Amino acid sequence: QKEVEQDPGPLSVPEGAIVSLNCTYSNSAFQYFMWYRQYSRKGPELLMYTYSSGNKEDGRFTAQVDKSSKYISLFIRDSQPSDSATYLCAMRGSGGYQKVTFGTGTKLQVIP
Amino acid sequence: NAGVTQTPKFRVLKTGQSMTLLCAQDMNHEYMYWYRQDPGMGLRLIHYSVGEGTTAKGEVPDGYNVSRLKKQNFLLGLESAAPSQTSVYFCASMTDRNNQPQHFGDGTRLSIL
Repeated sequence: QKEVEQDPGPLSVPEGAIVSLNCTYSNSAFQYFMWYRQYSRKGPELLMYTYSSGNKEDGRFTAQVDKSSKYISLFIRDSQPSDSATYLCAMRGSGGYQKVTFGTGTKLQVIP
Repeated sequence: NAGVTQTPKFRVLKTGQSMTLLCAQDMNHEYMYWYRQDPGMGLRLIHYSVGEGTTAKGEVPDGYNVSRLKKQNFLLGLESAAPSQTSVYFCASMTDRNNQPQHFGDGTRLSIL
């Protein structure tokens, strides 16, 4: 079993829809949780970065972490065609150098 | 401020050839990483460095070597390329101030024939 599980999709939604992207994980030592957006033929770009459990909002994006369930989510409100990309979840422990573990990514397409 | 720059962006090699991928960062980051990204496999760590002159193996180091002679540069070498090394390679860097995220370059697409 992988340490981080992420549905690869593809996920296709109409413009304006609310999108929910999710990851589950097995390592209880993970403390920091990230969402990266990756456009085709580009590198991952940091979208959200959260610590421990709770919510974080940035514009149309909200990241949620539920450590008790080992489950993280990224919500995109009022989705736009420009949101079409692959979304990678990532997580790491705390203190000193910690390896980052990535999900395999979910491909999202927002249809105009 | 360019961030993380990878060269070349694209390369085709024949089996058995060697080459070096270059990663340069201008953010004065201590940590640098090389990943490969393959369909359905996500990002897998090849090698990493926690400072100038240091390197360490990641989860898939076989067939690769690295060097960090200067803080801003991290080189990934393939001594004898194999078709299994066909992939997209990403470099990332991170500050050593605790609990900061990684910053990625735009990748090198490598095909081994």
